[in-house]
Amino acid sequence: GAGVSQSPRYKVAKRGQDVALRCDPISGHVSLFWYQQALGQGPEFLTYFQNEAQLDKSGLPSDRFFAERPEGSVSTLKIQRTQQEDSAVYLCASSTKKYAGVTDTQYFGPGTRLTVL
Amino acid sequence: AQTVTQSQPEMSVQEAETVTLSCTYDTSENNYYLFWYKQPPSRQMILVIRQEAYKQQNATENRFSVNFQKAAKSFSLKISDSQLGDTAMYFCAFMKPGANSKLTFGKGITLSVRP
Repeated sequence: GAGVSQSPRYKVAKRGQDVALRCDPISGHVSLFWYQQALGQGPEFLTYFQNEAQLDKSGLPSDRFFAERPEGSVSTLKIQRTQQEDSAVYLCASSTKKYAGVTDTQYFGPGTRLTVL
Repeated sequence: AQTVTQSQPEMSVQEAETVTLSCTYDTSENNYYLFWYKQPPSRQMILVIRQEAYKQQNATENRFSVNFQKAAKSFSLKISDSQLGDTAMYFCAFMKPGANSKLTFGKGITLSVRP
């Protein structure tokens, strides 16, 4: 596709359920980022992939959060045993370059709004 | 660690007028990039404008321009000739160049353009 796509767009989960959120980056983009955006707040970094390698997972809030990108394209963010505080919009972004530069724009997907009841 | 502060939660402007959105940041880095992103109600984040810290000249993109004051660590966005389509949340963001070019965002400001 032309842009970053994410699915599902909306997800409602009961507390304690596991969820999986999918991100399809722009074809050929090397770098992939996940961000968490709480209501009324700015996005916060969760994790970063360069191709299939997860180079930074310092933003993952707990060991219930897990992300993968096994073939260096599609990525999945998994949240186990969801809690109410996990309710947020999860944004995925991709960019072309391995190293940041002035032309290295991050292109964002529409996000997945997760509501945990 | 870097921090980005947007102290104005909401602003409103009349169509065709000019508005300035404020942003300050804190960092010990000398080389970095600053961005303004727009997030319309549909929630897809779009890059508005970017600035390299080593450049003294302020970036401009059509109706959008920035006032970058490196010593004061200030990075404001000016929108000229405001249009209804400018209604959105605006986020200021910081990036340190390197292998992990993650963005650090401020809390955002909701801009409403009145007809």
